[in-house]
Amino acid sequence: DGGITQSPKYLFRKEGQNVTLSCEQNLNHDAMYWYRQDPGQGLRLIYYSQIVNDFQKGDIAEGYSVSREKKESFPLTVTSAQKNPTAFYLCASSIALTDTQYFGPGTRLTVL
Amino acid sequence: ILNVEQSPQSLHVQEGDSTNFTCSFPSSNFYALHWYRWETAKSPEALFVMTLNGDEKKKGRISATLNTKEGYSYLYIKGSQPEDSATYLCASLVDAGGTSYGKLTFGQGTILTVHP
Repeated sequence: DGGITQSPKYLFRKEGQNVTLSCEQNLNHDAMYWYRQDPGQGLRLIYYSQIVNDFQKGDIAEGYSVSREKKESFPLTVTSAQKNPTAFYLCASSIALTDTQYFGPGTRLTVL
Repeated sequence: ILNVEQSPQSLHVQEGDSTNFTCSFPSSNFYALHWYRWETAKSPEALFVMTLNGDEKKKGRISATLNTKEGYSYLYIKGSQPEDSATYLCASLVDAGGTSYGKLTFGQGTILTVHP
């Protein structure tokens, strides 16, 4: 089955710890994205990648880092510099930057 | 950051009712308007990608229109069914070059509940 997987579904971390969220796709898409959702707000773009070994900051990149070493994978690290990391994180991919995006199931991160 | 607004924030209708909601977006440097449906416990799924002024797209009982000059899109659902209950998201894509290219800006969504 083609699709996007995110793991884990729920993640708990202590304040001050870095944590990495996984995103894998087997759709052969070039572009990948990370979004954050908070209650009552729309999805906000954290980082996006147009192609392997390239990525750009989105609207709320502070306190986050990414890598894109493989076409299939776009992991997101939430660092201790992120002031309010508790949120729902969605990963997406598309054939190219302007095309329909396909979303993963999301990871809910809670920082205690 | 672009301001994409959706209204209403939430909507309750009875099964069989037709309904519509609005997405407003800045019209300058417009490239595309996306609509997604997000059901509870599932991933958002694409409904439409619209690019041309006056465009109208249809998928079953759901249709959408686009006015790029005035910066709005309407989503219509004809004969709503309980399975239509979801959050409907619109997102605007601009082409202003540079770092803004390719970045979707989402509205906060309209939560639709269809009662049997």
